[in-house]
Amino acid sequence: KNEVEQSPQNLTAQEGEFITINCSYSVGISALHWLQQHPGGGIVSLFMLSSGKKKHGRLIATINIQEKHSSLHITASHPRDSAVYICAVRGFFGNEKLTFGTGTRLTIIP
Amino acid sequence: SQTIHQWPATLVQPVGSPLSLECTVEGTSNPNLYWYRQAAGRGLQLLFYSVGIGQISSEVPQNLSASRPQDRQFILSSKKLLLSDSGFYLCAWSVRASGARSYEQYFGPGTRLTVT
Repeated sequence: KNEVEQSPQNLTAQEGEFITINCSYSVGISALHWLQQHPGGGIVSLFMLSSGKKKHGRLIATINIQEKHSSLHITASHPRDSAVYICAVRGFFGNEKLTFGTGTRLTIIP
Repeated sequence: SQTIHQWPATLVQPVGSPLSLECTVEGTSNPNLYWYRQAAGRGLQLLFYSVGIGQISSEVPQNLSASRPQDRQFILSSKKLLLSDSGFYLCAWSVRASGARSYEQYFGPGTRLTVT
């Protein structure tokens, strides 16, 4: 079993739909990252969070430390949101390593 | 503002040939630096990270090596490439962490390596 599991692996939705991508992890963490990878391969950091909720524009990320679970939500989805969304977790105390999920491929159809 | 550069963008190399990928960061000092690989259809894997000049930690035993000759320069090398070395190589940087505090990681544009 991977330390970081994402679901779904693939998601296709119509433009305007509300999107939820889930991430579950099995280890103690100091932070969780959500990343976006576009078709060309470039990766952008969307969020880093260790508790609660963060919002940037149409993107919302939440984390429940007790349940070891995080969700990434996209409101009013748009075709330009089509990308692979990756969850990654960082351990504690000087461990610089990020452990990555395998990603969720999101396709938004106009 | 900070920027991270990687080159080359794409590379096709025969099996057994050497490799050198370079990553440089501008606009920050004393960053943590990282090399990741993403094999086709697989997730990102941390290969090396560095918290300072000459300080390299290896996460995965393999025929690759990394060096940090200057504060903002990180080099990934191999003496003899294998077919399994094909993939997308990403460099990243973050503010140097102190204790348990975490910082975002910022990724370069990547190098797509095909070993033939």
